[in-house]
Amino acid sequence: AQSVTQPDIHITVSEGASLELRCNYSYGATPYLFWYVQSPGQGLQLLLKYFSGDTLVQGIKGFEAEFKRSQSSFNLRKPSVHWSDAAEYFCAVGARTSYDTVIFGPGTSLSVIP
Amino acid sequence: DTEVTQTPKHLVMGMTNKKSLKCEQHMGHRAMYWYKQKAKKPPELMFVYSYEKLSINESVPSRFSPECPNSSLLNLHLHALQPEDSALYLCASSPTRSNTDTQYFGPGTRLTVL
Repeated sequence: AQSVTQPDIHITVSEGASLELRCNYSYGATPYLFWYVQSPGQGLQLLLKYFSGDTLVQGIKGFEAEFKRSQSSFNLRKPSVHWSDAAEYFCAVGARTSYDTVIFGPGTSLSVIP
Repeated sequence: DTEVTQTPKHLVMGMTNKKSLKCEQHMGHRAMYWYKQKAKKPPELMFVYSYEKLSINESVPSRFSPECPNSSLLNLHLHALQPEDSALYLCASSPTRSNTDTQYFGPGTRLTVL
């Protein structure tokens, strides 16, 4: 069965520091992978997605993610975090079930210290 | 226009009330979704309308009833809800129901059932 894990429930970083959010997936074939961000009280917004090709994917707001098939990972990175990046981050995999089209991971909550 | 709108933003209802949530998109998308999201949890898919055909997460109770009047509008009718139904209800749309499509989310309706 397809699944997504995000090992870190909550991460706190200082503004200006680098960030890496971890994501691992379980999928039998080549996965379609997404990172979404949700600011407090808001809907989700797509940061980036990977289907094929270059394993380093650039997204919006200065984020990037790297697909590593050998590690079943799709970690999200940002070189310098801004206070406005404080939010919930969801990794997701494109699904093939009877109704789901995407399966979300449990999320990582990011806090940014000024 | 890449916006999904949802009304109302907040809703408080009693367990005997009947209410409706509304969602609208003008991106020409042919798939629309209702998600339920509890605090600190990922969104859970409730219903999908794709080309006017409904797919249901069978775990969703019958007190939730979706309606798709046309390809731009999606309603969620609520009747005899329980306090545990209190949550953020998110609407999303995508060009098709493909698992490679980006889903665009509305800001959500915060529902409280007393």
